[in-house]
Amino acid sequence: SQKIEQNSEALNIQEGKTATLTCNYTNYSPAYLQWYRQDPGRGPVFLLLIRENEKEKRKERLKVTFDTTLKQSLFHITASQPADSATYLCALVWDFGNEKLTFGTGTRLTIIP
Amino acid sequence: GAVVSQHPSWVICKSGTSVKIECRSLDFQATTMFWYRQFPKQSLMLMATSNEGSKATYEQGVEKDKFLINHASLTLSTLTVTSAHPEDSSFYICSARVPGGWGTEAFFGQGTRLTVV
Repeated sequence: SQKIEQNSEALNIQEGKTATLTCNYTNYSPAYLQWYRQDPGRGPVFLLLIRENEKEKRKERLKVTFDTTLKQSLFHITASQPADSATYLCALVWDFGNEKLTFGTGTRLTIIP
Repeated sequence: GAVVSQHPSWVICKSGTSVKIECRSLDFQATTMFWYRQFPKQSLMLMATSNEGSKATYEQGVEKDKFLINHASLTLSTLTVTSAHPEDSSFYICSARVPGGWGTEAFFGQGTRLTVV
């Protein structure tokens, strides 16, 4: 069965630095991969999507990379701010005919002022 | 972006009773909605796919007779937890995509915190 691992349960970063979160998966590559932010007691909010044939996507201070050889996606937040503190989830869609999202375990990011 | 609204935000019920959770797409029609469950410090686990006008598709290990899903209209799906027990206490979240939105983001409701006492 497919497995998705976000290898840091919690990550503390100094304000202003770049936070880098990792998402690893096993077996075959997904059709596309998404990153979501979840605040306590709230539903996830979409941040970025990257397709299997794309290497990198950017949106403002956010950047996502996708390496199908390493079976890994990296999520970067540059110039991090305390307001970026949240849990970040990667989610994968495995095939084009089925759009169910499979979520990783999440990384709880804390930006320290 | 599109808005998905869930109601109630939280509910406390007695063991053995049933609880209904509503999920509405406010500014778009959703032929498909998804229901997730999230336990503390764990990720979202897909429970079922709700299809408008037809039966829901349940994930392996999810009891369809316990978690009743009804998707009677293009803007409303409901999840009813029947004969709730304390182990059903969890955070339930629904999501939907804008039609024609294959390969795009999913919009999530704000979640419902269910506590069974």
